Amino acid sequence: RKEVEQDPGPFNVPEGATVAFNCTYSNSASQSFFWYRQDCRKEPKLLMSVYSSGNEDGRFTAQLNRASQYISLLIRDSKLSDSATYLCVVILSGSARQLTFGSGTQLTVLP
Amino acid sequence: DAGVIQSPRHEVTEMGQEVTLRCKPISGHDYLFWYRQTMMRGLELLIYFNNNVPIDDSGMPEDRFSAKMPNASFSTLKIQPSEPRDSAVYFCASSRQGGPYEQYFGPGTRLTVT
Repeated sequence: RKEVEQDPGPFNVPEGATVAFNCTYSNSASQSFFWYRQDCRKEPKLLMSVYSSGNEDGRFTAQLNRASQYISLLIRDSKLSDSATYLCVVILSGSARQLTFGSGTQLTVLP
Repeated sequence: DAGVIQSPRHEVTEMGQEVTLRCKPISGHDYLFWYRQTMMRGLELLIYFNNNVPIDDSGMPEDRFSAKMPNASFSTLKIQPSEPRDSAVYFCASSRQGGPYEQYFGPGTRLTVT
């Protein structure tokens, strides 16, 4: 079983739609969680950290469910520029600063 | 501020040749990471350094791969001899010692081994 699992998609949604991605992690002692965004043929960039109480940044909302070991990302009012691959990232307990990446979920926002 | 700098951006080489990838982390960052990304395996951590010292190289696939960080502003990843299955995008990333866990990635080196 992979340490971090994501639905690879692709998700094709119309502009303005709301879309949600989920990610599960296998290590219950995982300590830190993030969503990164990667555009085609570009490097990954931090989108947002995920806090236990949930957090919001504009149109983006991230939530963590430790009991079920999953994190989610909700994008509201999606824009064409949101088209990218979204990577779920976990720092496993005891792994210091090592990020463990999911395989990514591909999103295409259609006009 | 300059971000993480990697060179070359693209490398095409023949099987058996030596390949050297270079990375300059963000000034003041104490951690440096080397990743490899392929369609099949996604993003994999190869090795990381803290204050120029290798901390964990368990992700380095084989002895053909080696990495060095002679000073705080430069690191290399070397593959000798290269094989077609080494074809991938290699990213370097850096982060600060006392700061958050955010890692800043360089633009990557796209390596093709024929």
